[in-house]
Amino acid sequence: SQQGEEDPQALSIQEGENATMNCSYKTSINNLQWYRQNSGRGLVHLILIRSNEREKHSGRLRVTLDTSKKSSSLLITASRAADTASYFCATDEDTDKLIFGTGTRLQVFP
Amino acid sequence: GAGVSQTPSNKVTEKGKYVELRCDPISGHTALYWYRQSLGQGPEFLIYFQGTGAADDSGLPNDRFFAVRPEGSVSTLKIQRTERGDSAVYLCASSFERARMNEQFFGPGTRLTVL
Repeated sequence: SQQGEEDPQALSIQEGENATMNCSYKTSINNLQWYRQNSGRGLVHLILIRSNEREKHSGRLRVTLDTSKKSSSLLITASRAADTASYFCATDEDTDKLIFGTGTRLQVFP
Repeated sequence: GAGVSQTPSNKVTEKGKYVELRCDPISGHTALYWYRQSLGQGPEFLIYFQGTGAADDSGLPNDRFFAVRPEGSVSTLKIQRTERGDSAVYLCASSFERARMNEQFFGPGTRLTVL
């Protein structure tokens, strides 16, 4: 089963623009994580935000979490062609397994 | 250091055959996970090991799927009597202790194709 749903499903932007992806989930969580996947293979962890945090930054990434709305957003600023990938949010449902969303496919044109 | 490795990278088999997929986690990681990812979807949880024992196997789709981790390191996912619907990328991940508060490190996956 998949808990999260990312929005939009696909996003195309020009280099230098910002990209915003949203994630909604259904149950209570301990933390929410964002992962990136290139070419349908291994995922790379980007950032983890805990349920008692509202915002977190890492380089060009900014993640927000609203537990009252059960939603999170990932902002990539000043995008680059190398940011082209699929992005997934994942939640823990207060367990030790991750439940992934359906993903946002980001295309950044040079 | 070495990351999570998975072998083989690709596996093509015929319907009804038995397959084994191997995962070598990062040294020292006690938690190991298997996921399955179909085209256009996010990874779907299959099973989670803490040490040698399966702490949660609620994601295994049926009794044709089985996984072991006998020495608390390498894990093998076993699929009996494969079906075409088993075709997917099988991902392995490991994490330091419990993943509830830790990131997971993923391997490159094994692409299984059942003809």
